[in-house]
Amino acid sequence: AQSVTQPDIHITVSEGASLELRCNYSYGATPYLFWYVQSPGQGLQLLLKYFSGDTLVQGIKGFEAEFKRSQSSFNLRKPSVHWSDAAGYFCAASMDSNYQLIWGAGTKLIIKP
Amino acid sequence: EAGVTQSPTHLIKTRGQQATLRCSPISGHTSVYWYQQALGLGLQFLLWYDEGEERNRGNFPPRFSGRQFPNYSSELNVNALELEDSALYLCASSQGQGNEKLFFGSGTQLSVL
Repeated sequence: AQSVTQPDIHITVSEGASLELRCNYSYGATPYLFWYVQSPGQGLQLLLKYFSGDTLVQGIKGFEAEFKRSQSSFNLRKPSVHWSDAAGYFCAASMDSNYQLIWGAGTKLIIKP
Repeated sequence: EAGVTQSPTHLIKTRGQQATLRCSPISGHTSVYWYQQALGLGLQFLLWYDEGEERNRGNFPPRFSGRQFPNYSSELNVNALELEDSALYLCASSQGQGNEKLFFGSGTQLSVL
């Protein structure tokens, strides 16, 4: 069955430190991949997406993600986090842009001052 | 431009009651999607409405139902509430198909006691 796994429920990072959030997918073929952020009291916002082509994808708010076919992964990275990055981060996948998304359980990012 | 708005923000019900959740999409968006986000889980797709018609339905029992009105706003109804229905219910809207075009509301937190 198709699935998206985010192995880390919580991650704590010091402000200014680098960040990597993990996402693994299980699909028969390479899916479309997405990262969303859910800030407290706000709706989910699309950070970036991967459909094909360059495996390093740039997104908003200084985030990037790298698609690695051999590892079935699409990890989200940021070189230096800010306190405002504290939020829930969700990885999602679909077979194409119009199919229903399958979501990971999310990773809650906690920022230490 | 107003975003996707959902009401109420919080809703408390008891087992067996009915709950009605409302969603107003972004102006010009004709598609409305409903998702359930239970604690510790990713988003689970509930329903998709487009141009007043139900286009797709997730793996939920029939007591989860809804409709879309001529102005494209939408209601989600949950009958015979069960404790496990407690969750954040998110609405998203889009103009045309494509997961990258989804805009999310901030949700209705439903608590069933």
